Amino acid sequence: DQQVKQNSPSLSVQEGRISILNCDYTNSMFDYFLWYKKYPAEGPTFLISISSIKDKNEDGRFTVFLNKSAKHLSLHIVPSQPGDSAVYFCAASAQHLQGAQKLVFGQGTRLTINP
Amino acid sequence: NAGVTQTPKFRVLKTGQSMTLLCAQDMNHEYMYWYRQDPGMGLRLIHYSVGEGTTAKGEVPDGYNVSRLKKQNFLLGLESAAPSQTSVYFCASSQGGTVRSGNTIYFGEGSWLTVV
Repeated sequence: DQQVKQNSPSLSVQEGRISILNCDYTNSMFDYFLWYKKYPAEGPTFLISISSIKDKNEDGRFTVFLNKSAKHLSLHIVPSQPGDSAVYFCAASAQHLQGAQKLVFGQGTRLTINP
Repeated sequence: NAGVTQTPKFRVLKTGQSMTLLCAQDMNHEYMYWYRQDPGMGLRLIHYSVGEGTTAKGEVPDGYNVSRLKKQNFLLGLESAAPSQTSVYFCASSQGGTVRSGNTIYFGEGSWLTVV
């Protein structure tokens, strides 16, 4: 049962254009959502997050939008740069009894920025 | 600044062999985690620890054991390796236990394990 889904395994975008990565979730108990970026042979690194009480969070070229009614979030990258080529994971968090950060990850979307 | 370090980076095991993956973090974090990543799937939590001397099961704990004898180290053991345990393993750590507090999870570079 995949609670967090990224239905696009890959996405190719021209440099300078907007990249939009999508993520859907099923568990209404999730209260925080995160995006991680992963380069080959490296661990995922935190990119941006959003609380479930907000519908938008912006950090430089990166903006995450949350639509709670649709259980959908998206990551916008504007403008896209070659260094943005990586695998992007969507993750969701729900409060756990022991307080540890139990993140549920999507399958990832491989973003390729073409010159 | 090392952050989260995993050893070994690569390992090939025969079915039935045992091995231990070592994770070390130098950020004095309380919480540590072990994830596995398989093709077409997101990272899945195997075990985690909320502090020295504690461990707890995650989403896919079967076939693995863990120990947190020292705050900076979190060991993942495979007692009898199976081909289904072929995967990339990521260790991670965080200072806080709740995402709401803004605590970020920091990941290691991964350990590639193949069981033949």
